[in-house]
Amino acid sequence: ETGVTQTPRHLVMGMTNKKSLKCEQHLGHNAMYWYKQSAKKPLELMFVYSLEERVENNSVPSRFSPECPNSSHLFLHLHTLQPEDSALYLCASSRQTGQGGNEQFFGPGTRLTVL
Amino acid sequence: GQNIDQPTEMTATEGAIVQINCTYQTSGFNGLFWYQQHAGEAPTFLSYNVLDGLEEKGRFSSFLSRSKGYSYLLLKELQMKDSASYLCAVEDSNYQLIWGAGTKLIIKP
Repeated sequence: ETGVTQTPRHLVMGMTNKKSLKCEQHLGHNAMYWYKQSAKKPLELMFVYSLEERVENNSVPSRFSPECPNSSHLFLHLHTLQPEDSALYLCASSRQTGQGGNEQFFGPGTRLTVL
Repeated sequence: GQNIDQPTEMTATEGAIVQINCTYQTSGFNGLFWYQQHAGEAPTFLSYNVLDGLEEKGRFSSFLSRSKGYSYLLLKELQMKDSASYLCAVEDSNYQLIWGAGTKLIIKP
């Protein structure tokens, strides 16, 4: 496989469930990102990992828990979600060079519905 | 605060030209990106501007004016496949992207 892959593509879960989203990048990048995309809203950056260390956590609720075991894999663990968490969750990766212009490559996303 | 504005929706005719504007106010600036996102798909990179002026890439061109906090994406010879959302994003002082809400472009025959 090439590029950035995400599984599952669709997920329906109840508010008491625990699930995980998986992202894998095959581009040799050193940074990975989780974004939330809701209808007619800007992409919201949730978490950034650079060289497997979390560098930013934009006040995301603790019911979202990221994990980055290595530079190619990124997980988002979900528990006790709310209906307003229903959205498209996008994973992206890039090569951080310490300079600007680092294009981010996106996966196809996981469409999450919380009942 | 940080703010990126772009029109919510635009309509254009196949074969025509359309310009999608983006204005921004951000803490720091390391460049501006345009991405294309078809419905149900991932955003894909179109262009990056860091210096003032026009960058041309085939049917697509992107312009930047840093002093005005303004950019536009110009699409020429529109095709039906250009129907998509176009996302403007500014790279801030921490090299993170601040995104606009996107412009949905509808192409009519």
